[in-house]
Amino acid sequence: AQKITQTQPGMFVQEKEAVTLDCTYDTSDQSYGLFWYKQPSSGEMIFLIYQGSYDEQNATEGRYSLNFQKARKSANLVISASQLGDSAMYFCAMRERSSGSARQLTFGSGTQLTVLP
Amino acid sequence: NAGVMQNPRHLVRRRGQEARLRCSPMKGHSHVYWYRQLPEEGLKFMVYLQKENIIDESGMPKERFSAEFPKEGPSILRIQQVVRGDSAAYFCASSETALNTEAFFGQGTRLTVV
Repeated sequence: AQKITQTQPGMFVQEKEAVTLDCTYDTSDQSYGLFWYKQPSSGEMIFLIYQGSYDEQNATEGRYSLNFQKARKSANLVISASQLGDSAMYFCAMRERSSGSARQLTFGSGTQLTVLP
Repeated sequence: NAGVMQNPRHLVRRRGQEARLRCSPMKGHSHVYWYRQLPEEGLKFMVYLQKENIIDESGMPKERFSAEFPKEGPSILRIQQVVRGDSAAYFCASSETALNTEAFFGQGTRLTVV
């Protein structure tokens, strides 16, 4: 089974609107972390936001927020007030903490976001 | 994050040659992770190293690939006798501890095998 599932290969959003990028995960660990990264066309991986499994509040970083629903095993990224520079590939990732290979990140297949002027 | 330095940014090798990819972690970071990104895919874990030790190489192909992180100098990912299927972007990430809430990536090395 896929550990990280991103069901939206591509998304479009109008500039200045909000957009939600979906991410569901599969783990039997109680302790884990969820990450979102942005990969623009230039190729680098830019860390956006982190959510720990024990964090009670949803993580926020500027225009980015993570809608964490633990029971549903979802960790959707919300980008508010989209900008043209937000056009990029977005990856959801998970780090499980209690398994033998705990320290690596497992990535989803990504969502290509295009912001329309 | 600009703090993790990878070089070269682009590398072209002919089939059968060796490729050496370098990663200098952020200052104070002793944990290094290598990932591979095939075209149109997400990143896949390859190997996790601490200084002078390979901790987890469960994602490394059994043959032709090796990694090291010496006491002095950068971490090296070495691919011997490259084949076309090795063409990919190779990313290095570093962290201060094993369980940091952030993992900073370098800009990647894009390997093209011709």
